[in-house]
Amino acid sequence: DVKVTQSSRYLVKRTGEKVFLECVQDMDHENMFWYRQDPGLGLRLIYFSYDVKMKEKGDIPEGYSVSREKKERFSLILESASTNQTSMYLCASSSSGEGIPHEQYFGPGTRLTVT
Amino acid sequence: AQSVTQLGSHVSVSEGALVLLRCNYSSSVPPYLFWYVQYPNQGLQLLLKYTSAATLVKGINGFEAEFKKSETSFHLTKPSAHMSDAAEYFCAVSGNNRLAFGKGNQVVVIP
Repeated sequence: DVKVTQSSRYLVKRTGEKVFLECVQDMDHENMFWYRQDPGLGLRLIYFSYDVKMKEKGDIPEGYSVSREKKERFSLILESASTNQTSMYLCASSSSGEGIPHEQYFGPGTRLTVT
Repeated sequence: AQSVTQLGSHVSVSEGALVLLRCNYSSSVPPYLFWYVQYPNQGLQLLLKYTSAATLVKGINGFEAEFKKSETSFHLTKPSAHMSDAAEYFCAVSGNNRLAFGKGNQVVVIP
């Protein structure tokens, strides 16, 4: 069974703090993704990574950065948290290869509140 | 760019009635389409996927979806709703090595 874990289920931070969200997958997947989920907006892609030390901007990268030093771990960083970054953050991973796109496997999410 | 549209953010269905969730896609190439489900306080779980092998796709928990190219649709159905089907459902299309998600349908099952 594929397992994607996220470091925290709930997190409360203050405005201006630096925030780290960690994601680990145990299936040797090449691809990893960070989304934020807000009511009525669905899932929006923040960043993704195809390989170690590789990263690509998604649809809403502003205010975020990422790090992938090891294949199994993908970190999302909020350099200076703001209240508009209060949201549910979901990490996902997938395998890669030629042909049919592979489904993404999701972690349970981190609900971040910035006060 | 690929995209999907899901209409009706909230869908109410009586227990035992048909569940129908609509998804229309926009894609410049033959699409690969997915339906995911999210139960309360959980991540997303794959229900089913279309990869051009068959137009009628069967998934988990009695759900199925039919790909109709002429209508650019991939609607999700279940013949008889169960209380455990209360969840949020997302349609997604694959493109550029990523998924584009719809805004989701929150399904409420009425006893």
